[in-house]
Amino acid sequence: GQQVQQSPPASLVLQEGENAELQCTYSTTLNSMQWFYQRPGGRLVSLLYSPSWAEQRGGRLTSSAASNESRSSLHISSSQITDSGTYLCAMDQNYNQGKLIFGQGTKLSIKP
Amino acid sequence: EAAVTQSPRNKVAVTGGKVTLSCNQTNNHNNMYWYRQDTGHGLRLIHYSYGAGSTEKGDIPDGYKASRPSQENFSLILELATPSQTSVYFCASGDAGDSAETLYFGSGTRLTVL
Repeated sequence: GQQVQQSPPASLVLQEGENAELQCTYSTTLNSMQWFYQRPGGRLVSLLYSPSWAEQRGGRLTSSAASNESRSSLHISSSQITDSGTYLCAMDQNYNQGKLIFGQGTKLSIKP
Repeated sequence: EAAVTQSPRNKVAVTGGKVTLSCNQTNNHNNMYWYRQDTGHGLRLIHYSYGAGSTEKGDIPDGYKASRPSQENFSLILELATPSQTSVYFCASGDAGDSAETLYFGSGTRLTVL
């Protein structure tokens, strides 16, 4: 079946102020992709949604995609301690629907 | 902001028992979803609904039923709970607009089946 692989695969530790780069690769051609943020034990919050592989920006966050490589990236600039948490990417199974296939998540820890 | 409320927050059940997880949304969204989250698997779709009276199977529906009695409420039912169903369950609501469907998630229900 369709799969989503995230890298770094499990966790990433950075110093405050450094930039973070998270990536997802997909096993099939996508319609669109999303990035979510989850605090420990908390709900998921949608960060960026990219239909048709468009680059999206939101504050210090940028998502980009290489549709010919079935790969997408989330870039966090000037990381802050409050950015710590788990980041998950997801692809739509049907365009504009909430039927998502998620990656396993990357736990980001920002140290002072 | 959109509000999705799940209950209970934590549940301990015995093998073979019946468990019902509830979800309520006040956003008037047509679509609702049940996912489970396990370490190493991310979130996986169990059941979803396009509106009151509708339920559809997701990617891992075996062992689960769903019920959508109204626009606001969507339940996940485990008729015969098994230890393999120990997980964190998330409900979400959304509405596909002209371009994108943003999902709003609840805080999750942690279910332990002994």
